[in-house]
Amino acid sequence: QLQLQESGPGLVKPSETLSLTCTVSGDSIRNKNYYWGWIRQPPGKGLEWIGTIYYSGSTYYNPSFKSRVTKSVDTSKNQFSLKLSTVTAADTAVYYCARQSVSSTYWFFDPWGRGTLVTVSS
Amino acid sequence: QSVLTQPPSVSGAPGQRVTISCTGSSTNIGAGYDVHWYQQPPGTAPKLLIYVNNNRPSGVPDRFSGSKSGTSASLAISGLQAEDEADYYCQSYDRSLGGSVFGTGTKVTVL
Repeated sequence: QLQLQESGPGLVKPSETLSLTCTVSGDSIRNKNYYWGWIRQPPGKGLEWIGTIYYSGSTYYNPSFKSRVTKSVDTSKNQFSLKLSTVTAADTAVYYCARQSVSSTYWFFDPWGRGTLVTVSS
Repeated sequence: QSVLTQPPSVSGAPGQRVTISCTGSSTNIGAGYDVHWYQQPPGTAPKLLIYVNNNRPSGVPDRFSGSKSGTSASLAISGLQAEDEADYYCQSYDRSLGGSVFGTGTKVTVL
């Protein structure tokens, strides 16, 4: 059964870099049929796509984050990671990782990790 | 930054049918990209409910159905049950963004 688990610090100071890792079990991150995505949800608000990565290293970013975000894949550990620099209180959110199905007409996310709350505060 | 618009809330009595609309534009749904729906009960992660407009993953009851037309899509829940109380989000691809867009979200309340 495929499972994804986010991990990282729950508290980050303003202007610092937020770093999260998603560990995949039950499937190989090298599976050529899937991509791997990050989505966030500020408290009480909706979902926002951050970015997507393929095992080869190809990346796709939401332009809203493009200048601040870096994604990477570690196939040896079956993990992919997210780094978001220069964070502010507006980056406080639950961060989810998810497996992503992609074709010429669709992108969708299934399954999702349980999410991890990251609070930006001094 | 949502570019897919949903009603903030819908409600219905047990057993009733409710629908949730998702309005997009010519750069996403209207461009032919498929629509997907997620259910998010309070305090939990989103779960895929409908994919590629009208397909249900294994385990999703057939009370849930999706449709798409033009620049919009809809999710219908028939035979509403207390366990259906949750937030629901539509999602598609947007070619001007170059990635995924989510709807604004709809809270379903069972009266």
